[in-house]
Amino acid sequence: NAGVTQTPKFRILKIGQSMTLQCAQDMNHNYMYWYRQDPGMGLKLIYYSVGAGITDKGEVPNGYNVSRSTTEDFPLRLELAAPSQTSVYFCATSDRPEVSGNTIYFGEGSWLTVV
Amino acid sequence: QKEVEQNSGPLSVPEGAIASLNCTYSDRGSQSFFWYRQYSGKSPELIMSIYSNGDKEDGRFTAQLNKASQYVSLLIRDSQPSDSATYLCAVKGAWAGNNRKLIWGLGTSLAVNP
Repeated sequence: NAGVTQTPKFRILKIGQSMTLQCAQDMNHNYMYWYRQDPGMGLKLIYYSVGAGITDKGEVPNGYNVSRSTTEDFPLRLELAAPSQTSVYFCATSDRPEVSGNTIYFGEGSWLTVV
Repeated sequence: QKEVEQNSGPLSVPEGAIASLNCTYSDRGSQSFFWYRQYSGKSPELIMSIYSNGDKEDGRFTAQLNKASQYVSLLIRDSQPSDSATYLCAVKGAWAGNNRKLIWGLGTSLAVNP
């Protein structure tokens, strides 16, 4: 049982490049989330999904896109990478809405540097 | 005022001591409160959740909630070096449109010295 799997773990991008952070879960959870965590800024919600085919913006969605074609997968797309997107990205899942808090399971994180 | 505030630390305690971590929040309507532990380079993991005023104990951890004063704390008894981590406070906030937000503090870094 892998839980929440994120790939890649580390990536260096050049300004203007695009990439996709992959997230897969095997817990059959409906709710999935993408967070970014910056030093001194805390965890910020980028996008979330309440089920296959349904996505919505979080606090900091600009510069990102998501899709949710299956229950298992929730990729995060960065278009035209900017240095401000240098961060650690966490994918997470829950069997209840995020605000329940106590059922959020995080992936191991993806460290992204934009130069 | 930040919505959820924590002292960034580092908080340094000797092994075996009680570590006390505090969190204040601005929204009086908040109802649910959570403590997550995050080791360096790792993802957050839930330690405790608390919903009612008073204390909630789980092993060496005790969460304390005081809604009138708008603070929630986490006590770690018999602190161990393995408790050294950043502790994140998360609060279920007020309605924003059709959704409630889960608001995260910046975390308090704890160092337990052998």
